Amino acid sequence: EAQVTQNPRYLITVTGKKLTVTCSQNMNHEYMSWYRQDPGLGLRQIYYSMNVEVTDKGDVPEGYKVSRKEKRNFPLILESPSPNQTSLYFCASSFGVGEGEQYFGPGTRLTVT
Amino acid sequence: GQQLNQSPQSMFIQEGEDVSMNCTSSSIFNTWLWYKQEPGEGPVLLIALYKAGELTSNGRLTAQFGITRKDSFLNISASIPSDVGIYFCAGRAQGGSEKLVFGKGTKLTVNP
Repeated sequence: EAQVTQNPRYLITVTGKKLTVTCSQNMNHEYMSWYRQDPGLGLRQIYYSMNVEVTDKGDVPEGYKVSRKEKRNFPLILESPSPNQTSLYFCASSFGVGEGEQYFGPGTRLTVT
Repeated sequence: GQQLNQSPQSMFIQEGEDVSMNCTSSSIFNTWLWYKQEPGEGPVLLIALYKAGELTSNGRLTAQFGITRKDSFLNISASIPSDVGIYFCAGRAQGGSEKLVFGKGTKLTVNP
């Protein structure tokens, strides 16, 4: 089944404790992206990747890192999480620039205390 | 930056009624997408539109890409309780970028 998977689905952590949210897609998509969703603010892009080893900042990149060492994986790294990073995070992927629709993962609900 | 205005913000309707929501942009888009998000899940793609004037259906859902390339609407006919959720429009601007701009969503409640 074609899908985007994220892990974990739920995470409660403390300020400053490094964490990684994994994202994997099995559709051989070139483009992958991370969003955060907050009430009243909608979906905002954090980082995106056009292909392996090619990443770039989205609209709200501060406090986040990403890597794209393999085509199928695009982990989101929070080196020192803060409470304002409490949010619902989505990974998405698509075939490539201007080619088709973005498919979303199920989401990761992160709470930073 | 680019913004999408999606309206209405929320709708409360009776089962069986038709629903209409729309998105407008300040700039021209070459792709319009409509997604549905249910509680605890990620957005799921409903309809994709790639040409101005294009009208596309997916079951009881119909969406159109506006002639001006700055708007799109989504209609749901004969609503049922499982239509409940948040509907998002998303647009991709001209210029070859993959970046999607999202509307803030329309929250749909269907009373049985």
